[in-house]
Amino acid sequence: AQKITQTQPGMFVQEKEAVTLDCTYDTSDPSYGLFWYKQPSSGEMIFLIYQGSYDQQNATEGRYSLNFQKARKSANLVISASQLGDSAMYFCAMKVQGGSEKLVFGKGTKLTVNP
Amino acid sequence: GAVVSQHPSRVICKSGTSVKIECRSLDFQATTMFWYRQFPKQSLMLMATSNEGSKATYEQGVEKDKFLINHASLTLSTLTVTSAHPEDSSFYICSARGVGPQHFGDGTRLSIL
Repeated sequence: AQKITQTQPGMFVQEKEAVTLDCTYDTSDPSYGLFWYKQPSSGEMIFLIYQGSYDQQNATEGRYSLNFQKARKSANLVISASQLGDSAMYFCAMKVQGGSEKLVFGKGTKLTVNP
Repeated sequence: GAVVSQHPSRVICKSGTSVKIECRSLDFQATTMFWYRQFPKQSLMLMATSNEGSKATYEQGVEKDKFLINHASLTLSTLTVTSAHPEDSSFYICSARGVGPQHFGDGTRLSIL
């Protein structure tokens, strides 16, 4: 069975600093995709970044980058130059290729950016 | 980018009422939509996968007769919570997949009194 583990219930970072949110995953399938979503207090889920299991390079999207270490089964999210608006819950999720492509989510990390 | 609209955003109703939540993909066709439930300070739990033109696939432990799902078109899926009780109070959120990642609606906060 697929599983996502986020070990940091909460993280604090100073504005303009970088922060890394941890995510490890477990799957026996060779083909999978990893996602990060942001959920502000208003509740909507905002897609941030995607990494495919066969992608050779780490994904980057603006201030977001994904530190993908396949051998360690980790897919940590790095947010550079944190902004106050980055304060939110962050969820790591995994999609297994084939079938319905449903997502399995981690428990999330609450990020607080301090001024 | 892809937009998913979910309606209503908030529902407060009496115990025993049935509540319908709509999920629409506005600018793409979605053969598959997903319904999630999220309790306060917890993660999203997949309830069911909604397939256009066929029966939904429910996750283990989710009551099919309690949570009715209809996916009548490529842009609309509905979740009906039948005879809702206080324990059904939760945040329900749908997602749809076109080309690329799943895109989520804004969610529905359901409060059963």
